[in-house]
Amino acid sequence: NAGVTQTPKFRILKIGQSMTLQCAQDMNHNYMYWYRQDPGMGLKLIYYSVGAGITDKGEVPNGYNVSRSTTEDFPLRLELAAPSQTSVYFCASRPSRQGSGGAFFGQGTRLTVV
Amino acid sequence: AQKITQTQPGMFVQEKEAVTLDCTYDTSDQSYGLFWYKQPSSGEMIFLIYQGSYDEQNATEGRYSLNFQKARKSANLVISASQLGDSAMYFCAMRLEGSQGNLIFGKGTKLSVKP
Repeated sequence: NAGVTQTPKFRILKIGQSMTLQCAQDMNHNYMYWYRQDPGMGLKLIYYSVGAGITDKGEVPNGYNVSRSTTEDFPLRLELAAPSQTSVYFCASRPSRQGSGGAFFGQGTRLTVV
Repeated sequence: AQKITQTQPGMFVQEKEAVTLDCTYDTSDQSYGLFWYKQPSSGEMIFLIYQGSYDEQNATEGRYSLNFQKARKSANLVISASQLGDSAMYFCAMRLEGSQGNLIFGKGTKLSVKP
């Protein structure tokens, strides 16, 4: 049971480059999220999705884009990378909007923009 | 504003002793959920415990318990009989009733367990 899988685990980008962070879950969860974690800080929501074809902005969406063509995949696109996007990125999923269970998190992607 | 505050950047505890990690929250919503996550040095986020705003009993999960004081808007995590493997960052988080299941996180507390 893979859960939530993120790739890559580490990446170094040059300023102005673009990349896609991949996230896949095999639990048939409708709700998926992208968070970023800056040093010494908690996680902040970038984008979320409530199902295939439906996405919306979170607290810090600038500089990012997402798509959700299938239930399983929720990639995060960085266009024109900037040093301020150096962070650890977490993808998470959950089966429903509410409920007592915690969200399932991926292992994270550590991104450095130089 | 919806906010989670963790005032202890770092804590030390002796192995086998109990420790309390503080969390206060700010929301005007009546219905919400409170979560604690553990983040070891390897980086993954591990769900520990959940407390619903209407739950009358404090949540417990093994050595973890949540001291929920609604009037004070606090949701402290108590870890009993600390183990060396408990050394990690601990995050308190809140989910609001009207949200799409996303979490609002505090800045975390780094717990170090001394042998």
